[in-house]
Amino acid sequence: RKEVEQDPGPFNVPEGATVAFNCTYSNSASQSFFWYRQDCRKEPKLLMSVYSSGNEDGRFTAQLNRASQYISLLIRDSKLSDSATYLCVVNTNGQNFVFGPGTRLSVLP
Amino acid sequence: DAGITQSPRHKVTETGTPVTLRCHQTENHRYMYWYRQDPGHGLRLIHYSYGVKDTDKGEVSDGYSVSRSKTEDFLLTLESATSSQTSVYFCAISEQTNTGELFFGEGSRLTVL
Repeated sequence: RKEVEQDPGPFNVPEGATVAFNCTYSNSASQSFFWYRQDCRKEPKLLMSVYSSGNEDGRFTAQLNRASQYISLLIRDSKLSDSATYLCVVNTNGQNFVFGPGTRLSVLP
Repeated sequence: DAGITQSPRHKVTETGTPVTLRCHQTENHRYMYWYRQDPGHGLRLIHYSYGVKDTDKGEVSDGYSVSRSKTEDFLLTLESATSSQTSVYFCAISEQTNTGELFFGEGSRLTVL
């Protein structure tokens, strides 16, 4: 079993739609959690951290369920510019970041 | 954007030849990482460094070695390249691991024929 797993996608949604991505991790000792965004043929960039109480940044909401070892990302009112691959990232030992395989999102006009 | 550059950005080589990829940072960050990215696998850690001359293996370290003789440079060497090492290689830097903010270079696309 992979250490971090994500919905395989791709997700094709119309502009204005709400879309949710799911991620699960296998190591219960994982300490911190993040969502990264990667545009086609570009480097990944941090989108947001994920806190135990859940957190929101504009149209983006991240949730963490430590008991179920589950992380989610919700995007409301999708824009064309949201089209990208979304990577779930888990930090277990303080130094090593483990990336999920990513979920590709295409927002259609 | 963080000052991090990778070289070369593109390279085509033949099986059995040595290859060195260079990552250079101007941020004075402590941690440096080498990842490879392949379809279906996402980013996988090859090696990382937590200081000058301090390195450790990642998930897919076989066939790779690294060196960090200066804070700003982290070299990845393929001693004898194989076709399975055809990939996109990303270098990343971080100052504090608990913030989760890795800054990535633009990637180096390596093709081994």
